[in-house]
Amino acid sequence: QSALTQPASVSGSPGQSITISCTGASSDVGNDNLVSWYQQHPGKAPKLIIFEVSKRPSGVSNRFSGSKSGNTASLTISGLQAEDESVYYCCSYAHNNTRVFGGGTQLTVL
Amino acid sequence: EVQLVESGGGLVQPGRSLRLSCAASGFTFEDYAMHWVRQAPGKGLEWISTISWNSGRTGYADSVKGRFTISRDNAKNSLYLQMKSLRAEDTALYYCASDQTNALEMWGQGTMVSVSS
Repeated sequence: QSALTQPASVSGSPGQSITISCTGASSDVGNDNLVSWYQQHPGKAPKLIIFEVSKRPSGVSNRFSGSKSGNTASLTISGLQAEDESVYYCCSYAHNNTRVFGGGTQLTVL
Repeated sequence: EVQLVESGGGLVQPGRSLRLSCAASGFTFEDYAMHWVRQAPGKGLEWISTISWNSGRTGYADSVKGRFTISRDNAKNSLYLQMKSLRAEDTALYYCASDQTNALEMWGQGTMVSVSS
């Protein structure tokens, strides 16, 4: 169960768009559409922002979108706002009813 | 109000056992699969275990397989994690989370486990 690969950090200015990648393998990210994304602010529990690759839970801003190509999933945040500064994690279903997270990406809004 | 509240954490010596609990309220607990996820201080999230709605299917991360056991009591709206042979590297904040859409939709605030002599 190897962790999914995410960039350690990304940054962008308010109003811009950024994309965070999440690379796995054919046995996890590439195997189905069970990729999800979480936002975690300091000292807080994670919050689900994308499930099943591209679906948004009720109440999550449409500035957040997800996609996948092969073994790599991506989270795009458009119209960056200061409140988006956070750590983002991807997660995928893996084999034998397990899950695997990415290492997390720190988003800095400049 | 939908709520998950973890409890049972604390300071424990290496090699000892601990049982975590997660009390669910505000939703139909028996309709959801459940997970445990941990986060070591200053580190990322690590998924460690899952259990289906009826306890028929479980899954464990390699790092805890054979040492940790997940269980649930739908009549008590509760999830458990029995942890044995604890190691220093098990020190973390342990979260429970619910799952109805193959994602971890709702999270508790976590309970801290510290393994040290």
